[in-house]
Amino acid sequence: TQLLEQSPQFLSIQEGENLTVYCNSSSVFSSLQWYRQEPGEGPVLLVTVVTGGEVKKLKRLTFQFGDARKDSSLHITAAQPGDTGLYLCAVNSGYALNFGKGTSLLVTP
Amino acid sequence: EAQVTQNPRYLITVTGKKLTVTCSQNMNHEYMSWYRQDPGLGLRQIYYSMNVEVTDKGDVPEGYKVSRKEKRNFPLILESPSPNQTSLYFCASSWAGDSYEQYFGPGTRLTVT
Repeated sequence: TQLLEQSPQFLSIQEGENLTVYCNSSSVFSSLQWYRQEPGEGPVLLVTVVTGGEVKKLKRLTFQFGDARKDSSLHITAAQPGDTGLYLCAVNSGYALNFGKGTSLLVTP
Repeated sequence: EAQVTQNPRYLITVTGKKLTVTCSQNMNHEYMSWYRQDPGLGLRQIYYSMNVEVTDKGDVPEGYKVSRKEKRNFPLILESPSPNQTSLYFCASSWAGDSYEQYFGPGTRLTVT
């Protein structure tokens, strides 16, 4: 059973469009992380959200943690080709880390 | 420069030939971990270590061994590799705390024939 469900699995958009990707679970978490992975490289941490309802912004990326701390979303405004990559959410359960399967985003010029 | 290094980056081997993938971090992190990444299955944790001489199984530990004799190093050992261990492997490290925010290495692509 997958602890974290990410949707959509794939997303192909044109430069300048807005998009939202989701990370959902039936469990409650103390915190949730978002990573971006570019082809051939390791994932890189984007943000950690901790408080229910929290919104964090990283330039054109907006991250939100659900009020009940069961889900999170990532919104990208005016996507650019440099945003292309695999977006992963992750939580820790005890000392173990669990990752969603990711949303693969392709932004074409 | 703060980093996690892995060696080798690419490895092709044959079934049953023991191999070790090294991992080293220079950030004095307590927590280190190994993951494998497979199409359709995502990133799955193999083993993790909370500190020197403290290791525990992740989701997919079968066929792997680890050791943590020094804080900076966390090698992954495949004593008898099999084709189903063909995968992309990542080492990561973090501070031990509430969130365990991971710093990942560049990955090792392993092919077992």
